Amino acid sequence: DAGITQSPRYKITETGRQVTLMCHQTWSHSYMFWYRQDLGHGLRLIYYSAAADITDKGEVPDGYVVSRSKTENFPLTLESATRSQTSVYFCASSESVAADNEQFFGPGTRLTVL
Amino acid sequence: AQKITQTQPGMFVQEKEAVTLDCTYDTSDPSYGLFWYKQPSSGEMIFLIYQGSYDQQNATEGRYSLNFQKARKSANLVISASQLGDSAMYFCAMRESGGYQKVTFGTGTKLQVIP
Repeated sequence: DAGITQSPRYKITETGRQVTLMCHQTWSHSYMFWYRQDLGHGLRLIYYSAAADITDKGEVPDGYVVSRSKTENFPLTLESATRSQTSVYFCASSESVAADNEQFFGPGTRLTVL
Repeated sequence: AQKITQTQPGMFVQEKEAVTLDCTYDTSDPSYGLFWYKQPSSGEMIFLIYQGSYDQQNATEGRYSLNFQKARKSANLVISASQLGDSAMYFCAMRESGGYQKVTFGTGTKLQVIP
């Protein structure tokens, strides 16, 4: 099916472990984004990517790493998970970065770090 | 300073009534877009409506309309004839034309529709 998918949908891990969240889109959108959603904060941008092999930091990048070797994939890695990274993570994509261009969101990954 | 402010953490509305969800924004960019997203309890983010800074008319999409008051920097969402399925979190968001084009979100309003 066309669209944007995330996996896993739910993940429980332990402090200090490495975790990778996957994001895949079938629209060939150039731009992709990772957000985290926490109560009282809305969505905050972690990293974004303008194209394959082009990534940059957002508001809250510490403790995260991204890569984009292919246009359709944008994995997010927590190198050493901490309890403060317990959150819901959303991947999004958009065709362009014009002000009128909406972002399409994946279904989210709920991550719990014990 | 907050770029997007949603001052109503929670609201109730009677089924079939109209409801207005408030959103104010702050930007010095002359070109920007304002969005509303709905997040039901299932968690996905659903795009509802868009308003461009240069649009002369208020945006409408079915039962959703955006009351855009540029001078006041407000972009309130109006839902007419509320339905039980409208119960959800609603997020106002803004995309500016400068910077890395990210979308800035408000903290959301939880709407509950009462039968």
